[in-house]
Amino acid sequence: AQSVTQLGSHVSVSEGALVLLRCNYSSSVPPYLFWYVQYPNQGLQLLLKYTTGATLVKGINGFEAEFKKSETSFHLTKPSAHMSDAAEYFCAVSSGTYKYIFGTGTRLKVLA
Amino acid sequence: NAGVTQTPKFQVLKTGQSMTLQCAQDMNHEYMSWYRQDPGMGLRLIHYSVGAGITDQGEVPNGYNVSRSTTEDFPLRLLSAAPSQTSVYFCASSNPPGTARNEQYFGPGTRLTVT
Repeated sequence: AQSVTQLGSHVSVSEGALVLLRCNYSSSVPPYLFWYVQYPNQGLQLLLKYTTGATLVKGINGFEAEFKKSETSFHLTKPSAHMSDAAEYFCAVSSGTYKYIFGTGTRLKVLA
Repeated sequence: NAGVTQTPKFQVLKTGQSMTLQCAQDMNHEYMSWYRQDPGMGLRLIHYSVGAGITDQGEVPNGYNVSRSTTEDFPLRLLSAAPSQTSVYFCASSNPPGTARNEQYFGPGTRLTVT
């Protein structure tokens, strides 16, 4: 069975500081990994994804994530937070089938 | 492309009432799914479909029905609404799994309140 754990339901950073949102997964087969962002009262939007190949994945809005198989992690980072990054972020895993498992989300707050 | 559309955006029901949440996509995706989002619980899969005429249960299917008569549409029916079904509902569609194009596209959501 697959699962996703997002450490920290709420994360606060100062504007300009590093953003680090943690995601650990469990999968018995090579995983497909995703990060989605949800702004208030909106649907989910794909930030980035890992399927195969390069383990450092770059996404939209300056975000990137690194797939680390040995640590079963797929943490999301951004070098410098912007006020517009305030949102909820979801990590998700798929085994390459039609089922996706989502984490419980991390709400990012950016302080001026 | 409109992507994934959902109607209505908001709905209030009384306990015991039934209703259908509509979902449509214009990307010719075979896979479609319904999730509910509750605070602190992330997204939980209700039902999904891998093509017209094929549906299956997800993690929390009780109290919901689906059908898939066309590639484009995937309605979700609440048979007899209960307060526990108060939630935000998202429909999603995706490219075939196991490929580099594999990702889900989400609709804007339906916020449902059952009193």
